[in-house]
Amino acid sequence: EAGVAQSPRYKIIEKRQSVAFWCNPISGHATLYWYQQILGQGPKLLIQFQNNGVVDDSQLPKDRFSAERLKGVDSTLKIQPAKLEDSAVYLCASSLPRGWVGQPQHFGDGTRLSIL
Amino acid sequence: SQQGEEDPQALSIQEGENATMNCSYKTSINNLQWYRQNSGRGLVHLILIRSNEREKHSGRLRVTLDTSKKSSSLLITASRAADTASYFCATDAYGQNFVFGPGTRLSVLP
Repeated sequence: EAGVAQSPRYKIIEKRQSVAFWCNPISGHATLYWYQQILGQGPKLLIQFQNNGVVDDSQLPKDRFSAERLKGVDSTLKIQPAKLEDSAVYLCASSLPRGWVGQPQHFGDGTRLSIL
Repeated sequence: SQQGEEDPQALSIQEGENATMNCSYKTSINNLQWYRQNSGRGLVHLILIRSNEREKHSGRLRVTLDTSKKSSSLLITASRAADTASYFCATDAYGQNFVFGPGTRLSVLP
């Protein structure tokens, strides 16, 4: 099966500019996650979708970050305006519905964002 | 608050040796998952262990879970240079979001 696809792989922008990341999950995976991973740290969940509905966005800085998952498949994550502290790798992951038994997450290779 | 915390932060061993990493967490969980991340790549799922399980095996990997101590360990036997990576535990609790620890950086020297 094809894995989680993300683009672009790298992005360099200046602070206060805007940027968008795209994710295409594994076919049939209803659950989609966006994570932020700062160098040397573990991934931090930003937002979780179930189909096209938001399940958890409690850690998403909503004044500058937004995400959508139209039609319950592809998803985009946007930052506007970017700050220096947003420099990180943005990872997308997908899984079958989480349920109570738990499901493994499948990750893309991420977008490495550098803010100048 | 941080849920999973791996220990040690970094580990360096010789090829053929065993590597053990530990994960501690604070609240009750439904399951705990271990992931590997190679440099510049996404995370790869290794093992999921549910709260009613005590031990799981997958190839050279062995994971244990002690819910009374709120801790888990990942053992990699007969390590190889290709096992060099960062290893993360992630806790999954009902009604809470996934929380990843800061990871253990494993270096396997040839």
